[in-house]
Amino acid sequence: KAGVTQTPRYLIKTRGQQVTLSCSPISGHRSVSWYQQTPGQGLQFLFEYFSETQRNKGNFPGRFSGRQFSNSRSEMNVSTLELGDSALYLCASSAAGDYGYTFGSGTRLTVV
Amino acid sequence: GDSVTQMEGPVTLSEEAFLTINCTYTATGYPSLFWYVQYPGEGLQLLLKATKADDKGSNKGFEATYRKETTSFHLEKGSVQVSDSAVYFCALSGGSQGNLIFGKGTKLSVKP
Repeated sequence: KAGVTQTPRYLIKTRGQQVTLSCSPISGHRSVSWYQQTPGQGLQFLFEYFSETQRNKGNFPGRFSGRQFSNSRSEMNVSTLELGDSALYLCASSAAGDYGYTFGSGTRLTVV
Repeated sequence: GDSVTQMEGPVTLSEEAFLTINCTYTATGYPSLFWYVQYPGEGLQLLLKATKADDKGSNKGFEATYRKETTSFHLEKGSVQVSDSAVYFCALSGGSQGNLIFGKGTKLSVKP
């Protein structure tokens, strides 16, 4: 079956702009989580959605937001981009009640 | 809060050498433990997992045993190959926080 699909793969934005990243989970998976990966901070949890509701949230400013649609697809949005937002953003999906997360290939965001 | 500590490396080995990457954790409750691998330019792939004490996860010649008494989940492989060169992440979930919590990652380079 198809894996977790993230689009786009690469993105270059200017400081102050906003960006929307998309994630399509594995069919049947209702939980979608987002992580930010940087060389300095490693992998940090952003938020998790389950059945269109945010179930858990990491320690990121309000500029980072997300949502999940009825088909379980998820988007995350970053407003007022800063240089420090440059990172690999990873999405992971899992089936309900299962801690086995499957990751997408990520979106590489560069803020200039 | 919950946390994962792993040796940061980098680790450089010759082909066919024995590999150990240490991982210890702090968590409330009974977490599940994971090893993920990340190849250059890609997302995370689940390598193996263990869901309860004394469980041994194994895959592609890699093994790790969930040791509750020492709160450890060390990754081992008897004979590494050049193709094993990647970054390895130890992670837990199901502790006091619902999301995956990662260690900093260990970069492994295997020389022919």
